[in-house]
Amino acid sequence: EVQLLESGGGLVKPGDSLRLSCAGSGFNFNVYAMSWVRQAPGRGLEWVSAISGSGERTYYGDSVKGRFTIYRDNSKNTLFLQMNSLRVADTALYYCTKDDDGYYSDIWGQGTPVTVSS
Amino acid sequence: QSVLTQPPSASGTPGQRVTISCSGSRTNIGGNYVYWYQQLPGTAPKLLIQRNNQRPSGVPDRFSGSKSGTSASLAISGLRSEDEADYFCAAWDDSLSVSFGGGTKLTVL
Repeated sequence: EVQLLESGGGLVKPGDSLRLSCAGSGFNFNVYAMSWVRQAPGRGLEWVSAISGSGERTYYGDSVKGRFTIYRDNSKNTLFLQMNSLRVADTALYYCTKDDDGYYSDIWGQGTPVTVSS
Repeated sequence: QSVLTQPPSASGTPGQRVTISCSGSRTNIGGNYVYWYQQLPGTAPKLLIQRNNQRPSGVPDRFSGSKSGTSASLAISGLRSEDEADYFCAAWDDSLSVSFGGGTKLTVL
């Protein structure tokens, strides 16, 4: 069974940094692209970032470009999202997803909450 | 404001057929697959339709997807109370990003 387990969320202040992790199991991790998608409280889904299976190609949404970095450690089946210069607007539940057909999310984790507040 | 446009709400009675639209542009829906997700209250999204009109294993055939030009639709037939959820469309955009619709809240009356 494919499983994704996110961790690393928490309460931070504006300007702080945070690193999210996502441990994948039940599939050939290094074959698949992975993404982060977030959902602010009571709002819709917002695509944040994606990375190819090898880690060579990365993509970012405009709202996080230059502040967030996606990377992966295929030897540990783990995906990461390094978030710097956090803003109140980054407050959301962050989902890790396994991707199909490029960068379309097909399997979702349960999410890890990030709250940015002074 | 989302790149893909969905109606914020939809409703129907049990047994009815409802459709949810998703409108985009040439750079997203017009040239790429559309995926649909169902998000039940308090849970993570779940893949409902892939590659415009294909149902993943385990998704009932009451759910169907279609695409024409720069628009797509999700249809739910034989509506059930357990279908009450938020529904989101998504498409890869040629600007090298994924666009989501704003979501449609489906109410079963």
